[in-house]
Amino acid sequence: KAGVTQTPRYLIKTRGQQVTLSCSPISGHRSVSWYQQTPGQGLQFLFEYFSETQRNKGNFPGRFSGRQFSNSRSEMNVSTLELGDSALYLCASSLEGADRRGSYEQYFGPGTRLTVT
Amino acid sequence: AQTVTQSQPEMSVQEAETVTLSCTYDTSESNYYLFWYKQPPSRQMILVIRQEAYKQQNATENRFSVNFQKAAKSFSLKISDSQLGDTAMYFCASPGAQKLVFGQGTRLTINP
Repeated sequence: KAGVTQTPRYLIKTRGQQVTLSCSPISGHRSVSWYQQTPGQGLQFLFEYFSETQRNKGNFPGRFSGRQFSNSRSEMNVSTLELGDSALYLCASSLEGADRRGSYEQYFGPGTRLTVT
Repeated sequence: AQTVTQSQPEMSVQEAETVTLSCTYDTSESNYYLFWYKQPPSRQMILVIRQEAYKQQNATENRFSVNFQKAAKSFSLKISDSQLGDTAMYFCASPGAQKLVFGQGTRLTINP
């Protein structure tokens, strides 16, 4: 099976612009989670989508949004970019999505490196 | 809120040595899974090992094994016969409220 793919791999944007990142999960996986990774904050959970519905959301401002399509592919959008949004954005897919027990393993994509200037 | 703590920001060992990375976590669940992920310099996060909390036996995957102490909520990763390719960031993860909670990571360097 093909792994999780993310596009683009690198992106440079200017403050105030918006950006859309894409994630294609492993075939058959219905859950996609998004994380922001920075040297200072580590891995921060953004949101999770399961069967086209957002099931969980992290503590990020409303400028961060996402969606999931019927084929499980997911996009995340960041509007009005700020310098602090510079980060590696990771997407992870799993078969059935996160639950309280962590029953399903998450498989990560290579990430999109976003630089905001 | 669930927390995962990795107390060693950086570690460095010589090739072929054994190294142990520490992790403590907090969960209110009685039955759950714990994970160690590896992120090499290429940035692809890879699952190293998974432990089921209700199993007494510690998980093992080749040179990687865990020391799981449920009562202490401790979940350390042992790498035996370390290799240069083990150089990476290692993250411990525990389930939160319908999400995985990650520790801050340990940067492990294997020196030749």
